Amino acid sequence: KAGVTQTPRYLIKTRGQQVTLSCSPISGHRSVSWYQQTPGQGLQFLFEYFSETQRNKGNFPGRFSGRQFSNSRSEMNVSTLELGDSALYLCASSLAPGAPTEAFFGQGTRLTVV
Amino acid sequence: DAKTTQPPSMDCAEGRAANLPCNHSTISGNEYVYWYRQIHSQGPQYIIHGLKNNETNEMASLIITEDRKSSTLILPHATLRDTAVYYCIVRVRNQGGKLIFGQGTELSVKP
Repeated sequence: KAGVTQTPRYLIKTRGQQVTLSCSPISGHRSVSWYQQTPGQGLQFLFEYFSETQRNKGNFPGRFSGRQFSNSRSEMNVSTLELGDSALYLCASSLAPGAPTEAFFGQGTRLTVV
Repeated sequence: DAKTTQPPSMDCAEGRAANLPCNHSTISGNEYVYWYRQIHSQGPQYIIHGLKNNETNEMASLIITEDRKSSTLILPHATLRDTAVYYCIVRVRNQGGKLIFGQGTELSVKP
């Protein structure tokens, strides 16, 4: 069974640009969550999608957005990139909210903003 | 904010048991204890979770105290590949995929 797939693995963008990251969950998983990891702030929850609807949102500015498609694949978008957005962005999939099931993480997308 | 407290770092000799403590004194009755680990620059890996009973799987054992205010993750025979940051997380079952990570414990397994 394939794991969580994130693309691209590495990305370099310029300040002010926007970026879209993609996440394909494990087959059968319908919940996708996104996290940002930086050396200073650690792992922080961005948002969660289930059935194409955002269920939970972390404390990030509106420049960070996401969506989920009918096949459960998810994308997150960051607009007007800032140097501080340089981070490892991780996606996790789980069966569905409401059950104490584990979340499985992808390998992440390393974003560098220059 | 994370509801758990873990030591920032620990060392363990290869082949020995690694016992990683976690305090969660404000845990609610409907909150589970989860453990994840993250090997350098990879995505976190699920290890184990429990509510109040001790749990064991092929990776580790989880011991939760009777009052549920603390727990210990046990890696019975640590190997060099177990070197990672270990995160203890508490969450309610209807919280979906939202995990609140603390700073974790950096475990170094030494030969």
